[in-house]
Amino acid sequence: DQQVKQNSPSLSVQEGRISILNCDYTNSMFDYFLWYKKYPAEGPTFLISISSIKDKNEDGRFTVFLNKSAKHLSLHIVPSQPGDSAVYFCAASLSGSARQLTFGSGTQLTVLP
Amino acid sequence: DAGVIQSPRHEVTEMGQEVTLRCKPISGHDYLFWYRQTMMRGLELLIYFNNNVPIDDSGMPEDRFSAKMPNASFSTLKIQPSEPRDSAVYFCASSLSGRILYEQYFGPGTRLTVT
Repeated sequence: DQQVKQNSPSLSVQEGRISILNCDYTNSMFDYFLWYKKYPAEGPTFLISISSIKDKNEDGRFTVFLNKSAKHLSLHIVPSQPGDSAVYFCAASLSGSARQLTFGSGTQLTVLP
Repeated sequence: DAGVIQSPRHEVTEMGQEVTLRCKPISGHDYLFWYRQTMMRGLELLIYFNNNVPIDDSGMPEDRFSAKMPNASFSTLKIQPSEPRDSAVYFCASSLSGRILYEQYFGPGTRLTVT
């Protein structure tokens, strides 16, 4: 049973517009969430994170929103750029789990010029 | 810093052969993780180490898989014998305890093809 789900395998967005990537989780004990970006032939790289005590975290063009009641988080990219085209993974962690991350299956974002 | 180093980058082998994947974590990091990425299952955690000691290997799919970390700068993931369904990209990642953030630093991965 997947505890972290990314239901959209792909998303296409026009350059300059907003990209919204979604992630749902089932384990209410998760208390830390991360987004990773992955380019082809490279390993995933950390992008942004959020603690469960917050509902929003912003870093430049990237903002992560957390809705704990809905067990849902989203990543907003504004404005989207062609270099943002990559696979985006969300991940979740349990407090005290010694940094074990549970990943979603990923969403391929394509930003069209 | 050089980042997490994995070798080989690509491995093609025949069913039944032994395969050994290698990882050098970032210097000073005390956690090391092995993941497998497939189309069907995404990124799965196989095993992780803390201070060279295996902590959780519940993700290791079968006894054919084994992992070791003989010292702080080297780890191996071995598959013996290999099967076609083991074909995937295997990632190694490391992280540092004591940090508030939980981010892990990934290597470039080893693409394994078993024919």
